[in-house]
Amino acid sequence: QQPVQSPQAVILREGEDAVINCSSSKALYSVHWYRQKHGEAPVFLMILLKGGEQKGHEKISASFNEKKQQSSLYLTASQLSYSGTYFCGTAITGTASKLTFGTGTRLQVTL
Amino acid sequence: NAGVTQTPKFQVLKTGQSMTLQCAQDMNHNSMYWYRQDPGMGLRLIYYSASEGTTDKGEVPNGYNVSRLNKREFSLRLESAAPSQTSVYFCASSFLTGSYNEQFFGPGTRLTVL
Repeated sequence: QQPVQSPQAVILREGEDAVINCSSSKALYSVHWYRQKHGEAPVFLMILLKGGEQKGHEKISASFNEKKQQSSLYLTASQLSYSGTYFCGTAITGTASKLTFGTGTRLQVTL
Repeated sequence: NAGVTQTPKFQVLKTGQSMTLQCAQDMNHNSMYWYRQDPGMGLRLIYYSASEGTTDKGEVPNGYNVSRLNKREFSLRLESAAPSQTSVYFCASSFLTGSYNEQFFGPGTRLTVL
C-alpha cells in the first residue's frame, strides 16, 4: 500500500518554508526522500532509519516518527532550485529489497 | 562514469508489438529496479533484481518480463504492448537492496502505445 503524502501541491515565495509529510499505515523501517524536476529522473535526498540514523543531504532536514509511521521533510528558506516533485519511499523491514513510493508533492517556488 | 543509462529515450509502439528496454549501470551496484511513472501515481515498481541471477515481481508486473543479463545490465520486455502501458519507465540501481541504500535513477524512457 502506497504511503500518503500531504500536501499534494504547494506554492511558495522564495525564502519561505515548507513541510511535506509522508504517512504509512504500516510500521516502517526506513523512509527515503527523492526530488524530481520536470522531465528529469528522481534524485536522492535522504534516508531516515528506524532508531534515528539519517543519511543524505546536508541542507535538508527531516524527521521520522516511528510510533506514528510518519516522516516530514523540512525545506527552509526555499530557493527557486527547490521546485519539483518530492516523493517519499518506504521500506517495512531492514531486509526489504524494495521501496513503495507515495504519489508525490509538487512544490513550486516563485520570486 | 555514466551512472545509469537507458535506451531508447523515446518509443512509439502499436498495440500488440513487442520491445525491450535496456538499462545498464557502471557503479558496480548489486541491485537494479524497473519503475513506471504515470501522472498522479508516483513511481510504481514493476520488477527488481536484488542481486545478479535473481529477479522478483514488484507492484505492477503484469505484461512485463525482465532479464538480469549480468551485474551491469537489466532489461525490461513488453511482449504484447497495450495502451495501458503508455508511461515513462525508469531504471534504477543501488549498491545493496532497498531499505538502507539510495537508488540512482536513469534518465527514463518515454513509451507511447497506440
